[in-house]
Amino acid sequence: DAGITQSPRHKVTETGTPVTLRCHQTENHRYMYWYRQDPGHGLRLIHYSYGVKDTDKGEVSDGYSVSRSKTEDFLLTLESATSSQTSVYFCAISERGQAVVDEQYFGPGTRLTVT
Amino acid sequence: SQQGEEDPQALSIQEGENATMNCSYKTSINNLQWYRQNSGRGLVHLILIRSNEREKHSGRLRVTLDTSKKSSSLLITASRAADTASYFCATDGTGGGADGLTFGKGTHLIIQP
Repeated sequence: DAGITQSPRHKVTETGTPVTLRCHQTENHRYMYWYRQDPGHGLRLIHYSYGVKDTDKGEVSDGYSVSRSKTEDFLLTLESATSSQTSVYFCAISERGQAVVDEQYFGPGTRLTVT
Repeated sequence: SQQGEEDPQALSIQEGENATMNCSYKTSINNLQWYRQNSGRGLVHLILIRSNEREKHSGRLRVTLDTSKKSSSLLITASRAADTASYFCATDGTGGGADGLTFGKGTHLIIQP
């Protein structure tokens, strides 16, 4: 998986609790992305980062925040988890992501269940 | 909103046959990419075709792009059981900015032994 790890790989949490997912890369790529994958929706972009401390919203950002304090780490936080955020979350990286988006490399995913 | 839409949603063929999947999209693009996802795994990049290209090959994969029809096709020749997976097309836009990729919902391909 191209030097990308995600932690945890599985998590069950209760409604209303905060949850943080971590993506770590060893490729030194500038661009990092968080997607969620749900049946019938494919992958949808939550947030992305184009550098340290530089982030922006994607298509489905409500209820999520992100932070990138180091090139290699991109954190996704669910501030108060809801059942609608039960999903599989994927982190991805790419070398170029502005104007033209290069091929992206994906992590193994985190399966999150909110009860 | 979904930019790419794959067709068919599911496809089952015999090993050794060719598999063709189609993708349609709505807005202008810089490039179109195809990814494969095996069950329970992350996506793997297969091939990228730029908007000024019409056809591209990689091993048993052949991708075509018709920007006038806003469509692409992925052909897998001489299919193998290991090709069983979901296949997604993904597009970027020409509006600039790091918007990531917009993915379709995928075609689930099953290769029968």
